[in-house]
Amino acid sequence: DQQVKQNSPSLSVQEGRISILNCDYTNSMFDYFLWYKKYPAEGPTFLISISSIKDKNEDGRFTVFLNKSAKHLSLHIVPSQPGDSAVYFCVPRRMETDKLIFGTGTRLQVFP
Amino acid sequence: DAGITQSPRYKITETGRQVTLMCHQTWSHSYMFWYRQDLGHGLRLIYYSAAADITDKGEVPDGYVVSRSKTENFPLTLESATRSQTSVYFCASRSSPELGELFFGEGSRLTVL
Repeated sequence: DQQVKQNSPSLSVQEGRISILNCDYTNSMFDYFLWYKKYPAEGPTFLISISSIKDKNEDGRFTVFLNKSAKHLSLHIVPSQPGDSAVYFCVPRRMETDKLIFGTGTRLQVFP
Repeated sequence: DAGITQSPRYKITETGRQVTLMCHQTWSHSYMFWYRQDLGHGLRLIYYSAAADITDKGEVPDGYVVSRSKTENFPLTLESATRSQTSVYFCASRSSPELGELFFGEGSRLTVL
């Protein structure tokens, strides 16, 4: 029962271009969505979040878009930098249980 | 140095042995969590704790035991390790449930032979 799907296990983007990471979910009770970034041999770190009452949240080079009717969100990174190379996890929160559900992650590689 | 620390960072053990992974945080966060990361599964919640002496099961609790006698510590014990418990284990904490942001430790890589 995969409630969160990140269908692209990996993504390769040239430095300076836009990176778009996608996430689909099935549970309409999710009320808050977070993105975490993870470098090798380190724990995940919080990147950006969005409440279900909004459709966009921007923080510097990072923007998250939420389409509730399609149960889809995306993370845009513009411009992409080599230091953005990491695994990105889409993490919805289940309102009724207050638990975070991690997606399987997308490995982003930004090359010069 | 303030933060959340895990020990050991690396551990190799044999099937059937008991193993305890330690987690310590200096923020006095109420909530603490244990996750495991495996290929194709992302991070899965094993156990969590809302406060000292309060623990609850996550998605994959079988084979694990936790305790929370002090707010700052949340050890995870594998009572009889199995090969399927070979994984990277992450401890995390947060101060309140409203925003959901978790602070993770660096992880403990466990290999069960």
